[in-house]
Amino acid sequence: EAGVTQFPSHSVIEKGQTVTLRCDPISGHDNLYWYRRVMGKEIKFLLHFVKESKQDESGMPNNRFLAERTGGTYSTLKVQPAELEDSGVYFCASSQVWGPGANVLTFGAGSRLTVL
Amino acid sequence: QKEVEQDPGPLSVPEGAIVSLNCTYSNSAFQYFMWYRQYSRKGPELLMYTYSSGNKEDGRFTAQVDKSSKYISLFIRDSQPSDSATYLCAIDELQGAQKLVFGQGTRLTINP
Repeated sequence: EAGVTQFPSHSVIEKGQTVTLRCDPISGHDNLYWYRRVMGKEIKFLLHFVKESKQDESGMPNNRFLAERTGGTYSTLKVQPAELEDSGVYFCASSQVWGPGANVLTFGAGSRLTVL
Repeated sequence: QKEVEQDPGPLSVPEGAIVSLNCTYSNSAFQYFMWYRQYSRKGPELLMYTYSSGNKEDGRFTAQVDKSSKYISLFIRDSQPSDSATYLCAIDELQGAQKLVFGQGTRLTINP
């Protein structure tokens, strides 16, 4: 079974530019989460999709961040315009809604974003 | 005050030692407690999942929860070099919500 795939693994952009991160969850996982770790800080929740619907986006830092999950499959997280403080590692995670895997979040390897 | 406090280390021990990793938390509503292991350049991987106070054992790993003290621990027995990683405690208020609150992570090195 393929795991959670994230792309790109590392992106370096200049302040003011736009970046789009992509996450492909495990097939059949309706729950999809975005988390972020900025340098020296703990991993923090950004938002949660159930299928294509945003269940909870309370962790999104501001309106420069836009997450989508069209069709309930892969998800994108766009940062526009990027600021220096957006640098960090963005993790995607997915899980089943029901069944024995419902409590198990599987994380991707993360997309490292560096804003210069 | 952070919701979850975890000593970031680093922690370095010899192979075969017993390792104790700890977190404290402030919100008594938290009910579900997890330990994740993260290798370099990888995502966190669930290691242990517990609910309520008490101990849970899985091989060389034991997770301990003391809700009265708001204190959680992970013990690793007979530590191996392959256990070298960052260990993160994570806490969830509601089962299924998976809106996890993470500790900062403790970087652990097991020396052969």
